[in-house]
Amino acid sequence: DGGITQSPKYLFRKEGQNVTLSCEQNLNHDAMYWYRQDPGQGLRLIYYSQIVNDFQKGDIAEGYSVSREKKESFPLTVTSAQKNPTAFYLCASSIDLDSSSTDTQYFGPGTRLTVL
Amino acid sequence: SQQGEEDPQALSIQEGENATMNCSYKTSINNLQWYRQNSGRGLVHLILIRSNEREKHSGRLRVTLDTSKKSSSLLITASQAADTASYFCATKTSYDKVIFGPGTSLSVIP
Repeated sequence: DGGITQSPKYLFRKEGQNVTLSCEQNLNHDAMYWYRQDPGQGLRLIYYSQIVNDFQKGDIAEGYSVSREKKESFPLTVTSAQKNPTAFYLCASSIDLDSSSTDTQYFGPGTRLTVL
Repeated sequence: SQQGEEDPQALSIQEGENATMNCSYKTSINNLQWYRQNSGRGLVHLILIRSNEREKHSGRLRVTLDTSKKSSSLLITASQAADTASYFCATKTSYDKVIFGPGTSLSVIP
């Protein structure tokens, strides 16, 4: 997990509440990503950011929002508009994101969100 | 937009045996990567193979790439209980970000 931290490890939310998941990296990577993983499933991309103050929607962005005000930080907010938010959320980073890079990604330990 | 798919979905072997899992993809790639995920943890990068390479080794891992068949295989030799995890292939094209497959769940029985 080296270099990327996510907090909290476990998060419980009541229906109708917004919650923010933290992701910080000290790898000096330009690109950062948020994925959602459901039990026994692969990773689905929520949002990604190639550079500070810029981010793009992934495959399942509805009900989520992000910001990228600092290179090191890429918080994810799960809004009340997300109808089924219970899942395991993974943050990742890579050196950069362009056609010539390998895009090898480094992952945080994840946050498990449960809606009560 | 699923690019890579692993096969089998689940694999159970005895400790000491070899484990082979496959990844097939649809469009031309720049590179293909394999990651491991232990239960409840983040993914860890294992190995990367570029489109102009056919085989790479890293310790007990051997990865092959056949671009004509659009497929890759990951071989873990002399498996150990600690190899129990899910394994994901991830493909990188020149025009898109990395896309992860659904994964193979490997159980190594002591």
